This record gives sequence, structure tokens and C-alpha cells, in this order.
Amino acid sequence: NAGVTQTPKFQVLKTGQSMTLQCAQDMNHNSMYWYRQDPGMGLRLIYYSASEGTTDKGEVPNGYNVSRLNKREFSLRLESAAPSQTSVYFCASSVGTGVLGGYTFGSGTRLTVV
Amino acid sequence: GIQVEQSPPDLILQEGANSTLRCNFSDSVNNLQWFHQNPWGQLINLFYIPSGTKQNGRLSATTVATERYSLLYISSSQTTDSGVYFCAVGIGQNFVFGPGTRLSVLP
Repeated sequence: NAGVTQTPKFQVLKTGQSMTLQCAQDMNHNSMYWYRQDPGMGLRLIYYSASEGTTDKGEVPNGYNVSRLNKREFSLRLESAAPSQTSVYFCASSVGTGVLGGYTFGSGTRLTVV
Repeated sequence: GIQVEQSPPDLILQEGANSTLRCNFSDSVNNLQWFHQNPWGQLINLFYIPSGTKQNGRLSATTVATERYSLLYISSSQTTDSGVYFCAVGIGQNFVFGPGTRLSVLP
């Protein structure tokens, strides 16, 4: 049982390049999330998907887009990467809106934009 | 929005010592979790504990929801306990992380 799987684990981009971070969960969870963690800080929510077919903005959505491809997969896209997007990105999933249980996190993607 | 505070910000212990980490939050929540982020960056879910007390080996946690705080107890600390401990709270999809407590356990 893999839990939440993120790819890639590491990525270096040049300013202006685009890329998509992939996330998949095998726990049959309804809700999925993308967070970023900057050095010395906690995690901040970028986007979330409460259920298949829905997506909503979190605290720091600017510069990102997301796609809930199906119940298992939730991708994060950077259309034109900027140095300010250098961060560690975590994907997470949960059964529902928190009442039914906690969040499970992937192992993270370390992104550097130069 | 919900505000989350954690104390202390940094903690250094000798192996074998006990410690208590605190999380205060500003509003009623229906989700509270404690995470350990190890030195390799991996986030490990320790407890899902919106209320009550839970124990898992040397770790235990207590949340007093009516007073808006949670405590994480680490007993007989080991060097592998080093890392950052995050409290995260929320209601619905609004799940907010605290700034963390950085724990260093010395051999």
C-alpha cells in the first residue's frame, strides 16, 4: 500500500519554464491537496480538491493551476516558473473534510527555479 | 483565519529526557494532527487528535478542544526523534500548520 506518491522528487527549472507535478493516492480518499513549504516554515495550502471534479484555491494559489484527473490523481502545474516558486511541494489526501480522519502526505518534490 | 502557535520554537534534549510540546489555536476546529518532519523532509503523521488523549509507544498527545490547545509528550527521547514537530488544525478544508518546534536530541 503506497499511500501518496509524488513525482518527481527533485526538479530544477529555468525561469519561465513550465512543468507539472504529479500526485496519486491509492487509499480511495475523496479529498486531495497541494502544499508548499518554504525554508524554516510550516506548510501553506496552494489548491485543494474536495472531491473528484472539484478544485478550489487555498492560501497561496497565484502562479499555479491544478487538475483533478480522477479520484486517484491530482496534478499541480507551474505555467511560467519564477524563483519565488522555489520550494518543497507536498501532496496530501484525506477521506473527507477532516471530520472522518486525518491527512496523509507524500514524500515531497524539491523544486528549484533558477 | 485560524491562528496556530507552537512552543517552544526550539528544544535541545539529552537522549533519555522527556519533553512536552504545546500547540495553541485560535478557533474551534474539527481536525488536529501532529506531524514529525524528519531530517530528510518526510512528514510523518503522529496523531489525528481533535479531542481527547492518545498514546503510541513513547509518544502521547492530549487535545483540550474547549480550551483550544494540544500537547505532545515525548518520553525517553532518542536521537531518531530529532526533527521538526508540526501541529496542524482545521475545520473543513481550511487546514493550517503551525510554525513548528525544532527538536534536537543529543546522544
